[in-house]
Amino acid sequence: DTAVSQTPKYLVTQMGNDKSIKCEQNLGHDTMYWYKQDSKKFLKIMFSYNNKELIINETVPNRFSPKSPDKAHLNLHINSLELGDSAVYFCASSRGTSGSSNTGELFFGEGSRLTVL
Amino acid sequence: SQELEQSPQSLIVQEGKNLTINCTSSKTLYGLYWYKQKYGEGLIFLMMLQKGGEEKSHEKITAKLDEKKQQSSLHITASQPSHAGIYLCGADTRAQKLVFGQGTRLTINP
Repeated sequence: DTAVSQTPKYLVTQMGNDKSIKCEQNLGHDTMYWYKQDSKKFLKIMFSYNNKELIINETVPNRFSPKSPDKAHLNLHINSLELGDSAVYFCASSRGTSGSSNTGELFFGEGSRLTVL
Repeated sequence: SQELEQSPQSLIVQEGKNLTINCTSSKTLYGLYWYKQKYGEGLIFLMMLQKGGEEKSHEKITAKLDEKKQQSSLHITASQPSHAGIYLCGADTRAQKLVFGQGTRLTINP
């Protein structure tokens, strides 16, 4: 069983469309993340959720809306897609968050490559 | 400005040679994580360092965290084609997230 799975793996769509990427983890972790990796391979955090509660929102446009129906799922919905949204989106999970304890190892999904034409 | 700087950004080495990748933080590191990414795949966890001066090894890969906990190095001995990929360092600075460096693309020439 894949620990962190995200679908779809590839997504090609037109500018202006709305699309969703789904993520599920079966590790029993409390925290889930969305990262964006651009064409230069720079990996940047977008959102994190801890037990369905939004913890981090890193100045991401309002067109991006994460949703966590339960702590094992974190989906990413993108409205009005733009060319600059083309990237690989990675979902990840960890046992806890920083603060009194370390974030801990992140377990990553295989990525969802979004291409906006 | 970038919190975490990796160097070099790309590296081409002959098979069998040793190499080092560096990761420098502008903040104290409470955890430093090394990941490897192959093209089209997710990130694979390599090692985690937490204590100043800590050093860990796995097969031919050794990672160290300096005493001041602001710099880490990843050293590969006798490189092989299977070592090729993108190496990323991730930092836990107690900001409830891991911040990643820009990655080092490693190519091994046979």
